[in-house]
Amino acid sequence: IAGITQAPTSQILAAGRRMTLRCTQDMRHNAMYWYRQDLGLGLRLIHYSNTAGTTGKGEVPDGYSVSRANTDDFPLTLASAVPSQTSVYFCASSASGGAGANVLTFGAGSRLTVL
Amino acid sequence: AQSVAQPEDQVNVAEGNPLTVKCTYSVSGNPYLFWYVQYPNRGLQFLLKYITGDNLVKGSYGFEAEFNKSQTSFHLKKPSALVSDSALYFCAVRDRGSTLGRLYFGRGTQLTVWP
Repeated sequence: IAGITQAPTSQILAAGRRMTLRCTQDMRHNAMYWYRQDLGLGLRLIHYSNTAGTTGKGEVPDGYSVSRANTDDFPLTLASAVPSQTSVYFCASSASGGAGANVLTFGAGSRLTVL
Repeated sequence: AQSVAQPEDQVNVAEGNPLTVKCTYSVSGNPYLFWYVQYPNRGLQFLLKYITGDNLVKGSYGFEAEFNKSQTSFHLKKPSALVSDSALYFCAVRDRGSTLGRLYFGRGTQLTVWP
């Protein structure tokens, strides 16, 4: 089934540790995104990538980094996790043009707890 | 600056009754507007979008939304609610000039449909 795969599903992490959340899509979408979801705040964009080889900062990029070595993969790295990064993280993708443009497909999410 | 407001944290409605989930937006130019739905422990799913054209947009599962430029609103509606419609609903906006997929989400409205 075409879509987005995120891993891990859930993780408990000690503060100060490094963590990479993985995201893979098989829809050949050019654009990919990382959002975090926090109660009462909705979803906020962390980083995005319009195409392989390019990335950009969203609303809340501090403490996070991304890379886009190829079309399918868009990992999110927390270099040194802090408790405020406890959240549910969603990866999403979209086509760059045509009827699918502007419509995001989301993964199932990665629940991260930083202690 | 772009923003979305969902004034109600919760909406409760009896099955078979009409439902409305409210959304107002603020963008510098003409907006792209979206509604997404989130079921428990799942990622967001696209419901419908307004890009241009008819102000009444029809989407998945019998939902529709009306774009009102003068009131800067994009309320989600359904003529007859189902218990299975119970979920968290997000309104989102993008300025046409901004990066593809860089959506600004509201805080979400929890819809509960009582049998």
